[in-house]
This record gives sequence, structure tokens and C-alpha cells, in this order.
Amino acid sequence: AQSVAQPEDQVNVAEGNPLTVKCTYSVSGNPYLFWYVQYPNRGLQFLLKYITGDNLVKGSYGFEAEFNKSQTSFHLKKPSALVSDSALYFCAVREDTGRRALTFGSGTRLQVQP
Amino acid sequence: NAGVMQNPRHLVRRRGQEARLRCSPMKGHSHVYWYRQLPEEGLKFMVYLQKENIIDESGMPKERFSAEFPKEGPSILRIQQVVRGDSAAYFCASSVPGNTEAFFGQGTRLTVV
Repeated sequence: AQSVAQPEDQVNVAEGNPLTVKCTYSVSGNPYLFWYVQYPNRGLQFLLKYITGDNLVKGSYGFEAEFNKSQTSFHLKKPSALVSDSALYFCAVREDTGRRALTFGSGTRLQVQP
Repeated sequence: NAGVMQNPRHLVRRRGQEARLRCSPMKGHSHVYWYRQLPEEGLKFMVYLQKENIIDESGMPKERFSAEFPKEGPSILRIQQVVRGDSAAYFCASSVPGNTEAFFGQGTRLTVV
């Protein structure tokens, strides 16, 4: 069975400071990992994905994430937060074979203070 | 290229009525996924369809819920005899065969009164 844990319900960071949103996962096979962002009353927007290759993945809006196989983690990071980054962030996983549907974490609300 | 289109954006139904949610995938996408999001929660997988086939319905409730993706036209998620607990945001995503990435619509927010 697949699962995703986002241990923090909310992350608060000051504008200009680096941010990290944590994600750990569990799958039987090799993971495909994703980060999505959701703004109020909107759908999910794709940020980035890890499929294979370089463990550091760069995505939209200056976000990046690092795949760590030994720690089964895929934390989302940004060197300098913007107020406009304030939103709900979801980590998701699926296996490389078999079930194609994504399993989502419960989400982390990022609040960037000016 | 328009994104994934869902309609209606908001739907209000009385208990016992039927709700029909529509999803038009992105052009060229033949795979559709439906997810449900309860308030302040993550998305939960419901069903995965390809044209005219249900591939994985392991997340669908056993009763009252059904989904289809006909050869022509949008995918439909149908909820019969709605109850208050069905109130949620329902999201559709689509992808092309073999693609790892799914694109999401803006969702339909169902309110059962």
C-alpha cells in the first residue's frame, strides 16, 4: 500500500527566508513523487516531479525538491519565500508500475509573512 | 490548448437528489482520474478511467457512486441519492498514455443541503 505523510499542518516563514515543506512516503516499488500547490477555491497546480535521475529536482516558481531514498523523503524547498507563495501544498506518490493513481498527503499550509 | 475543464464549478443539491459532475480532459488525453477532497484534507482517489473503460475503481464507494468516460463527450461522475456527507470538492485530472504527470481541473464543489 502507498502512503504519504506531511507532518506539518502549517509552516510559517518570513518573506525572503528559505522555506522547507516536509514529505515522507511509503511504496512497494520505485516511487514517482510529485508536489502540487492549491490556491483558495482553485484546482491543483503541478510544481515538480521526481521520476528518476538527479535527486535534486527543479520546478516552477523557483521551487525545488530533493529525493532521499534512504530517508524515503521528498522535501520541498525554496531559497527565498514570497508572500505570494502562501498556499496549500500537497505531496503525492505513485509506484512506477501497477496502480497509476496518486496517493496524496494531507497537505501543508504555507504562510509567508511580509 | 485548454486545460482540464470541469462543470459546474458549484453544485447545490438537496438530500436524495442526483448530482452529475462533468470533466472534459485536456486535448489528446485519454486517461481521466476522479478525486474527492473533504474540507481541510488531502485528495482521495476515487476512480481511474480510459475511454469506455473503468481501469481502477478501488476508491469508489460501493453504492450510489458511478463514473463513465464514453467514446465521445466528457467523463461523468454520478452520485445518486446524495447525502450531506457527499459534500466535498471533486477534482478531475487527465493524462496521456504513458505520461507520469496528471493535470487537474478546478474542481466542482458539491454542497448537499
